[in-house]
Amino acid sequence: NAGVMQNPRHLVRRRGQEARLRCSPMKGHSHVYWYRQLPEEGLKFMVYLQKENIIDESGMPKERFSAEFPKEGPSILRIQQVVRGDSAAYFCASSGAGGKNEKLFFGSGTQLSVL
Amino acid sequence: QKEVEQDPGPLSVPEGAIVSLNCTYSNSAFQYFMWYRQYSRKGPELLMYTYSSGNKEDGRFTAQVDKSSKYISLFIRDSQPSDSATYLCAQKRSGGATNKLIFGTGTLLAVQP
Repeated sequence: NAGVMQNPRHLVRRRGQEARLRCSPMKGHSHVYWYRQLPEEGLKFMVYLQKENIIDESGMPKERFSAEFPKEGPSILRIQQVVRGDSAAYFCASSGAGGKNEKLFFGSGTQLSVL
Repeated sequence: QKEVEQDPGPLSVPEGAIVSLNCTYSNSAFQYFMWYRQYSRKGPELLMYTYSSGNKEDGRFTAQVDKSSKYISLFIRDSQPSDSATYLCAQKRSGGATNKLIFGTGTLLAVQP
């Protein structure tokens, strides 16, 4: 049973380019969460999605960042016009029905480096 | 004030020692408590998941929750070099539509052989 799959593992972009990070949840899971981890900091919540719906985007920066989880295919976190401060590890997690006792399982992350 | 406070360490112990890791939180709405282990350049791995106050044991790991003082702990018995990792506490609220976790900054543990 494959876990949460993220790709790419490493992504290098120059300032001003776009970054697209992909996440395929665990089999049977329909809820996806994106977190960002900066050096020396903990995981910071960004956005919570169900299929075709954004449930909570309270942690998303107001500009340049967007997320989607289409009916078919992986969840995508998109960062437009990247800046050096976007350099971080981005982790995706998934859960089943989304109930309060649901456990979150994380992928191995995408390390974004902005030159 | 941060919602979750965790000593970043690093914490260095000899092999076989008992390790105590701790977090405090400020929001009484937190009802679910978790400990994750994160190896370098890897994703967090769920270790322990608790709901109520008290102790929960799983092998060498014991999670302890004290809701009255808003304090959670993770104890590792007979620590091994393979336990060397960053340990993250996480909390989740009981109400609302979101299922998001609030993490501490993590404690870096090094177990010396």
